[in-house]
Amino acid sequence: ETGVTQTPRHLVMGMTNKKSLKCEQHLGHNAMYWYKQSAKKPLELMFVYNFKEQTENNSVPSRFSPECPNSSHLFLHLHTLQPEDSALYLCASSPALQRNGANVLTFGAGSRLTVL
Amino acid sequence: AQSVTQLGSHVSVSEGALVLLRCNYSSSVPPYLFWYVQYPNQGLQLLLKYTSAATLVKGINGFEAEFKKSETSFHLTKPSAHMSDAAEYFCAVRNFGNEKLTFGTGTRLTIIP
Repeated sequence: ETGVTQTPRHLVMGMTNKKSLKCEQHLGHNAMYWYKQSAKKPLELMFVYNFKEQTENNSVPSRFSPECPNSSHLFLHLHTLQPEDSALYLCASSPALQRNGANVLTFGAGSRLTVL
Repeated sequence: AQSVTQLGSHVSVSEGALVLLRCNYSSSVPPYLFWYVQYPNQGLQLLLKYTSAATLVKGINGFEAEFKKSETSFHLTKPSAHMSDAAEYFCAVRNFGNEKLTFGTGTRLTIIP
């Protein structure tokens, strides 16, 4: 188990459901990220939080709503999703956002989402 | 702007043979470069990183990569493949002064017994 834990690991939901993905890191990091991983596409950065403040929203549709109550926890709230939103959602953390540092990310195992 | 190209979405090598996974980047400023590995049903794990120190970078599990500025490349190699190396490998770039990490599309490595 890595220092970044994601739950649930698998989720199947209908287009009208509301669900949430949870991410928790035990590394003392201050930056947290959501990425979307779809087949045959590069990882897509969705959201970035640094010290609980959102610093990046990469043109993500509003049916995805992030929440970062503290530096250790990150949620992704899901509402009225589309089948094309089916993907692996990866959470990551790093010590803090650094413009001039290596900023190495530690990833969780991901939540596999299927939208019916 | 920064981008990464990984040549070959699938690579197969025999056990014990050389592993070579290719990565080319485009960057207008000196970059940071990374290789991550993803085993089945797991997240991405850092293999190695280049941060403008030595151009030959050694990582975990016997992997290494060489930064070649003239070729804008950062290819990943391992002298002798092991069955446990079967996974997907991602190259990533981040420009100095930029927070965003850009990933390639990944290369799936298969090891033939």
